Amino acid sequence: GAGVSQSPRYKVAKRGQDVALRCDPISGHVSLFWYQQALGQGPEFLTYFQNEAQLDKSGLPSDRFFAERPEGSVSTLKIQRTQQEDSAVYLCASSSWPDNQPQHFGDGTRLSIL
Amino acid sequence: AQSVTQPDIHITVSEGASLELRCNYSYGATPYLFWYVQSPGQGLQLLLKYFSGDTLVQGIKGFEAEFKRSQSSFNLRKPSVHWSDAAEYFCAVGYASGGSYIPTFGRGTSLIVHP
Repeated sequence: GAGVSQSPRYKVAKRGQDVALRCDPISGHVSLFWYQQALGQGPEFLTYFQNEAQLDKSGLPSDRFFAERPEGSVSTLKIQRTQQEDSAVYLCASSSWPDNQPQHFGDGTRLSIL
Repeated sequence: AQSVTQPDIHITVSEGASLELRCNYSYGATPYLFWYVQSPGQGLQLLLKYFSGDTLVQGIKGFEAEFKRSQSSFNLRKPSVHWSDAAEYFCAVGYASGGSYIPTFGRGTSLIVHP
């Protein structure tokens, strides 16, 4: 029984580079959530998918952030032209209907922008 | 907008002692409330949630929380703490969106357990 898997675990990029972070939810889970967690803070919501539909993207901080889930399973969070303030842990969570809130979180991707 | 305040950044208890972690929320409608735990090297785990009904909610690992509307609080309790409970605890209030309730997290309370 695999849990939510995120890759890579660690990512170092230079300012201005584009990065892509991957999330493999638990098989069959309809809902998928992305959060950003800065050091010493609570997670902050980025975006939410139900199957392939992105139903809420109100937390994406700028148009440099883009998320997709084209086949309703794996999701990718892309950050273009990275800035130092993008350094954080990016968390992915999934859940199954009807418990439609983030239940199972991955270990996260720690992104460091130099 | 909804928000959560966790007034204690750190809490230190002795193993076997009782625990209460405070959480106050701000939300205009009926709140949907959560407690999560984040252990070192592990992902966030949902401890319990409150949507409606009985105001005393039982969760995993022996935790419970009580919703008090008059105090806008949702405090987490455990009668006897184990060393393995040392972790970061997050309270969250959820807003309705697209069939889900999206948690907005507090900044967390770090629990330290002394032997």
